Amino acid sequence: NAGVTQTPKFRVLKTGQSMTLLCAQDMNHEYMYWYRQDPGMGLRLIHYSVGEGTTAKGEVPDGYNVSRLKKQNFLLGLESAAPSQTSVYFCASSRVLQSSFADTQYFGPGTRLTVL
Amino acid sequence: KNQVEQSPQSLIILEGKNCTLQCNYTVSPFSNLRWYKQDTGRGPVSLTIMTFSENTKSNGRYTATLDADTKQSSLHITASQLSDSASYICVVRFAAGAGNNRKLIWGLGTSLAVNP
Repeated sequence: NAGVTQTPKFRVLKTGQSMTLLCAQDMNHEYMYWYRQDPGMGLRLIHYSVGEGTTAKGEVPDGYNVSRLKKQNFLLGLESAAPSQTSVYFCASSRVLQSSFADTQYFGPGTRLTVL
Repeated sequence: KNQVEQSPQSLIILEGKNCTLQCNYTVSPFSNLRWYKQDTGRGPVSLTIMTFSENTKSNGRYTATLDADTKQSSLHITASQLSDSASYICVVRFAAGAGNNRKLIWGLGTSLAVNP
């Protein structure tokens, strides 16, 4: 049982390039999330999904797109990377929507992205 | 302005000693408060989740307290170990209300170093 995995672990992009971050979970969780973590700021929610085929915007969705074609996978895309998107990206999953008090989010190890 | 404030920003203690981390919040309406541990280079791991009706919750050597009246929480670590070196993040969830979408507000964390 691997939990939540993310690929790649590290990536360097040039401004304007595109890439996709992959998140996979093997816990059969309905809900999945993408966060970014920057120095001096708490984790911020980018997008989330409440089930296969559904996605929704979080606090900082601009410049990102997501897809949830399979229940176990949640993809985060950057169509035209900008230096402001340099960050550490975390994927998480949970059994129930994060609005439930009983939910626990399980996080992946993170992807460190640098945009030059 | 971040609605979740943690103190101290960083802390160094000797192995075997106890310590207490503080979290003050202004999130309203309040649903629940959780503490996460984040090791360097890893994703956050949930330690405890408390609702407004819970005053204390323990997880091994970690004990969290909550005073919903004063909007303060603390995380007490007993008999610290080297493996406790990490960032400890306080996270508060809004209860359902207009416009907040029951979102989570992440603190910036307290960086704890346990030295031998």
